[in-house]
Amino acid sequence: AQSVTQLGSHVSVSEGALVLLRCNYSSSVPPYLFWYVQYPNQGLQLLLKYTSAATLVKGINGFEAEFKKSETSFHLTKPSAHMSDAAEYFCAVSDPGGYQKVTFGTGTKLQVIP
Amino acid sequence: DAGVTQSPTHLIKTRGQQVTLRCSPKSGHDTVSWYQQALGQGPQFIFQYYEEEERQRGNFPDRFSGHQFPNYSSELNVNALLLGDSALYLCASSLGAADTQYFGPGTRLTVL
Repeated sequence: AQSVTQLGSHVSVSEGALVLLRCNYSSSVPPYLFWYVQYPNQGLQLLLKYTSAATLVKGINGFEAEFKKSETSFHLTKPSAHMSDAAEYFCAVSDPGGYQKVTFGTGTKLQVIP
Repeated sequence: DAGVTQSPTHLIKTRGQQVTLRCSPKSGHDTVSWYQQALGQGPQFIFQYYEEEERQRGNFPDRFSGHQFPNYSSELNVNALLLGDSALYLCASSLGAADTQYFGPGTRLTVL
């Protein structure tokens, strides 16, 4: 069974500081990996996805993530936090074959301090 | 181009009642997945519909059922509602079952 673990349910950074949200995955096959963002009372928006091509994936809003097979990690980073980045972020994993069941982590709430 | 739409936005029911939630996929998408997101939790996969058939199912009881129509829209039905069914129900659509899923804004269900 596939799973993801997000380290830290809450992360606080100062505006302009580096954002680092951690995600480790468990999968018996090379997975697809995703980061989604959720603003209050809204659905999920896809930030970026890894589908076995380049290991460094660039997404929207200046975010990027690096797939590290040796560490089974897919951490999300952004060089400089903006107030509008305050939201909840979900890491997710799916099996690339067959019908896609996406398994989400428990989420990390990002607070940006002015 | 309209994205994924869901209706209603909010819904209040009492225990034991039945509820139907609706989802229209993004234009061009043919696959619909449903998720339950309890407060403070990540979304949990309920099931996925493709070609009007349920293709995959998560760990949810038979009280949760669904349907996909020829126009690819979908319904989620929940019978015999429990307090624990209170959650945000998210619909996601994709082009094909293996494609990236795009999410709607969700339906907030409150069971009293």
